[in-house]
Amino acid sequence: GAVVSQHPSWVICKSGTSVKIECRSLDFQATTMFWYRQFPKQSLMLMATSNEGSKATYEQGVEKDKFLINHASLTLSTLTVTSAHPEDSSFYICSAITGTSYNEQFFGPGTRLTVL
Amino acid sequence: DQQVKQNSPSLSVQEGRISILNCDYTNSMFDYFLWYKKYPAEGPTFLISISSIKDKNEDGRFTVFLNKSAKHLSLHIVPSQPGDSAVYFCAAFYTGNQFYFGTGTSLTVIP
Repeated sequence: GAVVSQHPSWVICKSGTSVKIECRSLDFQATTMFWYRQFPKQSLMLMATSNEGSKATYEQGVEKDKFLINHASLTLSTLTVTSAHPEDSSFYICSAITGTSYNEQFFGPGTRLTVL
Repeated sequence: DQQVKQNSPSLSVQEGRISILNCDYTNSMFDYFLWYKKYPAEGPTFLISISSIKDKNEDGRFTVFLNKSAKHLSLHIVPSQPGDSAVYFCAAFYTGNQFYFGTGTSLTVIP
């Protein structure tokens, strides 16, 4: 199956700093990438949908100025958590689809963010 | 608004027995359902799916059943193996829309 990577896998940062998470599709071109957040013992919550070359679409309640998403190419999307605070500590997972088929999303391994 | 629900946070099953994971949904527009398996600190991996025009889909040891009238689907794993121990998420969507995930069920298969 298609492979999606994320970097870094784990990051610890001080409150107030910004953190960038990369999501790459390694062996396919991803027309659409998704960013999810998962809190402990909760479901994956969609944060935003990004299409290559256009602005991301954010879900209700997600601050677009805090979670900056850039989908610069068909194989790379980045999520930047700006001015991170402890409540932003979470597991962030990206996924990607090829074409317009939503039948299968290919998920990255996730990034554990801990904000001190 | 939790449109997809997994009411059992955990399940323990003896090796060799059947594991049944349940999932309920509220949105009748959903036309595609999927099950994902997730290990700690890893992203979910696709397991099996079913479209709303079917009521059963089988792939090896994994079978998904869909009861549209009850808005309920289940994943059967038989026989269960220790390597099946993971968190299982069900997900649903309707064409062109976002995925909605359940809260997950942690399955432990006891050797």
